[in-house]
Amino acid sequence: GQSLEQPSEVTAVEGAIVQINCTYQTSGFYGLSWYQQHDGGAPTFLSYNALDGLEETGRFSSFLSRSDSYGYLLLQELQMKDSASYFCAVRDQQAGTALIFGKGTTLSVSS
Amino acid sequence: DAGVTQSPTHLIKTRGQQVTLRCSPKSGHDTVSWYQQALGQGPQFIFQYYEEEERQRGNFPDRFSGHQFPNYSSELNVNALLLGDSALYLCASSSGGGAVTEAFFGQGTRLTVV
Repeated sequence: GQSLEQPSEVTAVEGAIVQINCTYQTSGFYGLSWYQQHDGGAPTFLSYNALDGLEETGRFSSFLSRSDSYGYLLLQELQMKDSASYFCAVRDQQAGTALIFGKGTTLSVSS
Repeated sequence: DAGVTQSPTHLIKTRGQQVTLRCSPKSGHDTVSWYQQALGQGPQFIFQYYEEEERQRGNFPDRFSGHQFPNYSSELNVNALLLGDSALYLCASSSGGGAVTEAFFGQGTRLTVV
């Protein structure tokens, strides 16, 4: 089966940079996604990496290393509104159309 | 443009009862996937509906069933509710019936079983 590991909690201050790591084990890996979920809210898509390298979207960047089965989400210029849970999710051959999510990382940003 | 809408937002049921949750996909989408999210956990895939058929199913018992209507909206039914079924139930919409790189989620239905 699949497994994903990410830290349970991360804390940072406004304006800082934080990196949330995700390691995975899958069968027939297709790609790694990141989702943000505020308390009581819907998960919202942040990024998707299918190939090795860094994808940048504004303050957020996502990195993938297929050979290391590893990815990370990088959040820059942190704002209070970035306090949320962040989930990595994989697509793979075994899962088919499903997304397989990690348990999530709770990010707390303080002033 | 309405996004993914789910109803009801909250629901309290008694153990052993049955429940139906509803989802309308984002405009232009024809595929609906359902996920269960327990407190402090990531969403877990229940099943996907496309062309009014269940196309793929996760590791959930037969007590969980669904339906998709011609207008692409979908229902999730859970029979013989257990306390462990208490969770946030999320609907995600996409198009084409295949795997997606970007899923659009609704706000979810918070189900509490007492």
